[in-house]
Amino acid sequence: AQSVTQLDSQVPVFEEAPVELRCNYSSSVSVYLFWYVQYPNQGLQLLLKYLSGSTLVKGINGFEAEFNKSQTSFHLRKPSVHISDTAEYFCAIGGGADGLTFGKGTHLIIQP
Amino acid sequence: IAGITQAPTSQILAAGRRMTLRCTQDMRHNAMYWYRQDLGLGLRLIHYSNTAGTTGKGEVPDGYSVSRANTDDFPLTLASAVPSQTSVYFCASSAAGGRGEQYFGPGTRLTVT
Repeated sequence: AQSVTQLDSQVPVFEEAPVELRCNYSSSVSVYLFWYVQYPNQGLQLLLKYLSGSTLVKGINGFEAEFNKSQTSFHLRKPSVHISDTAEYFCAIGGGADGLTFGKGTHLIIQP
Repeated sequence: IAGITQAPTSQILAAGRRMTLRCTQDMRHNAMYWYRQDLGLGLRLIHYSNTAGTTGKGEVPDGYSVSRANTDDFPLTLASAVPSQTSVYFCASSAAGGRGEQYFGPGTRLTVT
């Protein structure tokens, strides 16, 4: 069985400040990890993914994430956020026969 | 390339009525999925299909059925809608099943009254 825990339901941060959205996972099979972003009234869009290889993964819009096997984490980071980054962010794990398992999401709120 | 299309965009449905949500992809992906999204609960898998002709149950399958007659289409049917099925429904597809990224449609907002 696989599971994903997003530790924060909401993260407020000031514009141009750095941000980290936390994600921990549990899995008994090979791990494939994803971060998705959902802007208001839209579908989900892939930010980045870890399938194998380098543990530091760079994605779109200046985001990056680091796969840490010993801590079973895949935290998402951005060094300087913008108002346009306001959205819901979902961490997900794959490797099972039924596709991805998603966390409950973290709402990133950018304050001017 | 359209990717994944869903119809309708939104719908208000009386309880007890039957409803089919449509999903079509043009990427020739083998795997397709239906999720529901509810505030505070994230996305929960309803049903999935790893290839045409096969389907499987996800986390919350009760009250829903699916079929996969061909690669492109994956309709979701509510046989007799109930208010607890009020939600936003997303269809997704993947070329690599659980080992690959999923591409999402724009969603269907369903309200059951």
